[in-house]
Formats: sequence, C-alpha cells, structure tokens
Amino acid sequence: AQSVTQLGSHVSVSEGALVLLRCNYSSSVPPYLFWYVQYPNQGLQLLLKYTSAATLVKGINGFEAEFKKSETSFHLTKPSAHMSDAAEYFCAVSETRGYQKVTFGIGTKLQVIP
Amino acid sequence: KAGVTQTPRYLIKTRGQQVTLSCSPISGHRSVSWYQQTPGQGLQFLFEYFSETQRNKGNFPGRFSGRQFSNSRSEMNVSTLELGDSALYLCASSPADGSGNTIYFGEGSWLTVV
Repeated sequence: AQSVTQLGSHVSVSEGALVLLRCNYSSSVPPYLFWYVQYPNQGLQLLLKYTSAATLVKGINGFEAEFKKSETSFHLTKPSAHMSDAAEYFCAVSETRGYQKVTFGIGTKLQVIP
Repeated sequence: KAGVTQTPRYLIKTRGQQVTLSCSPISGHRSVSWYQQTPGQGLQFLFEYFSETQRNKGNFPGRFSGRQFSNSRSEMNVSTLELGDSALYLCASSPADGSGNTIYFGEGSWLTVV
C-alpha cells in the first residue's frame, strides 16, 4: 500500500528565505510523486511531478523537488519565498502500476512573514 | 481548453437529505476521480471512474456513490446526509488509463450539512 507523510502541518518562513517542505513516501513499487498547491477557496494545482526521468524536478513558480530513493523522500524547495507562496501544499504518491489512485499527504500550510 | 468544472460550487443541505454533485472533466479526459477534503482528515479518495466503470473505491460507506456517463461527465451522490459529510468535494480528471498521469482538479463543491 502506498502512503505519504508530510512533516509539519504548518511552516512559517520570512519573505526571501528558503522554503523547505518535507515529504516522505512509502510504496511497494517505484512511485510517481507529485506536489500540489491549494490557494484559499480553490482546487489543487499541480506544482511538479516525478516520473523517474530525472531525480531533480523543476516545477512552476520557482519550486523544485528532489527524489531520493535511499531516503524515500521528495522534499519541496524554493530558494526565496514570496508572499504569494502562502498556501497549502500537498505531497502525493501514485503507484506505477494498476489503476489511477493518488494518495495525498495531510498537507502543509505555508505562512510567509513580511 | 476548459478545466474541470464542478457544480454547484456551494450548497447547504439538512441532515437526512441527499445531494448530487456534478463534474465535467477536461475535454478528452476519460478518468474521473472524486476526493473529500476536510480539515481533520485532509484529502481522502472516494472513487475513480474510467469509461463508465468504477475501478477504484475508497473507504467510505455505501451512502456515497457515483457514476460516469458516456461523455465522461460524472456525478456523485450522498444519501442520508450526516453532519460529518460537510466538506469540500473535489473532482479530478486525467487523460489516460495508466497510473502516473497527472490529475487535474476542479475548484470543488462546498457542502454544508446542518
């Protein structure tokens, strides 16, 4: 069975500081991994996804994530936080076989302090 | 290309009533999945349909049901509503029938049960 653990339900960073949102996954087969962002009163928008092509994945809005198989991690980073990055971020995993079923983490709310 | 469209966006129902939510996927997408989002439980998978067939089902009671039409549009129904069913219901679509395809979310239907 697949699962995702996001460490830290709330993260606060200063504007201009590094953003690091942690995600660890569990999967019995090589996974596909995703990061989604949700702004207030909106649905989820894809930031980036890992599908085994490259371990460092670049996404939209300056975000990137690195797949580390040995650590079963897929942490999301951004070098410099903007006020507009304040949102909730979800890590998700999908197994590379079988039907479409994506399992989401509990989410991390990012607060950016001016 | 139009995104995933969900209707209605907001609704209030009374305990014991039933509700039907509608989802129109992105044109050409044949897989539709539904998620329930609550502050305490996060995003929980309800079910997934492909070509009018339910292929995956989450751990929800039988009061939650869905269907998909030949044009890929989908509906979900919740009967005998309970207060705990108050949530954001998100529909997502994806283009193909394999795992790892990105799922694209609608903005959701906010259901309040009173």
